[in-house]
Amino acid sequence: DIQMTQSPSSLSASVGDRVTITCRASQSISNYLNWYQQKPGKAPKFLISAASNLQSGVPSRFSGSGSGTDFALTISSLQPEDFATYYCQQSYSSPWTFGQGTKVEIK
Amino acid sequence: EVQLVESGGGLVQPGGSLRLSCAASGFTFSNYAMSWVRQAPGKGLEWVSTISGSGGSTYYVDAVKGRFTISRDNSKNTVYVQMNSLRAEDTAIYYCAKENNWSPMVRGSYVDFWGQGTLVTVSS
Repeated sequence: DIQMTQSPSSLSASVGDRVTITCRASQSISNYLNWYQQKPGKAPKFLISAASNLQSGVPSRFSGSGSGTDFALTISSLQPEDFATYYCQQSYSSPWTFGQGTKVEIK
Repeated sequence: EVQLVESGGGLVQPGGSLRLSCAASGFTFSNYAMSWVRQAPGKGLEWVSTISGSGGSTYYVDAVKGRFTISRDNSKNTVYVQMNSLRAEDTAIYYCAKENNWSPMVRGSYVDFWGQGTLVTVSS
């Protein structure tokens, strides 16, 4: 199985900060990498597919990059509603696997 | 508007069985693969199972193979997972998830809509 490792596991940031979360795959997954956001007590929400394709309706302050084994999710200017846990997920080979999550907290 | 509503969760003893259901609306159900993804308390997400739009192809994570069975009834717009021989480690919120493809496990697939989840607790 492909292992997905996110870093950091958590971070504290202020409104307006630029935030970057990284995700590393245990083998090359081309660009078959998705990102999800989950707020406490809620279901995950789909943000980005194919490493960098923003889902319709997702604010443009979110962006994704990377290919091969190293990927990043960047929030250009953190907003109050962005405080949540973010997960990466590979859809290169079965079984689909997720990173352990990165919790973005208010500083 | 896409809606996925899970039901069937609850408390069950180790070794017991439970069937979860997910009623879908707001899209042409038979055109999309459907999945179950779970989240143990305080933990991350784990893909569990996926079924094709027709129901003819199914996939499972190794941890549930032989114990869980995913199925769907396209006339009722509902997907199910039958969970047998339940273990404490199966305790989790189970999310119903709509895939973006008809075929399951296609490279580049993603979940574009999620249900609110149903809690399964396996404990004596």
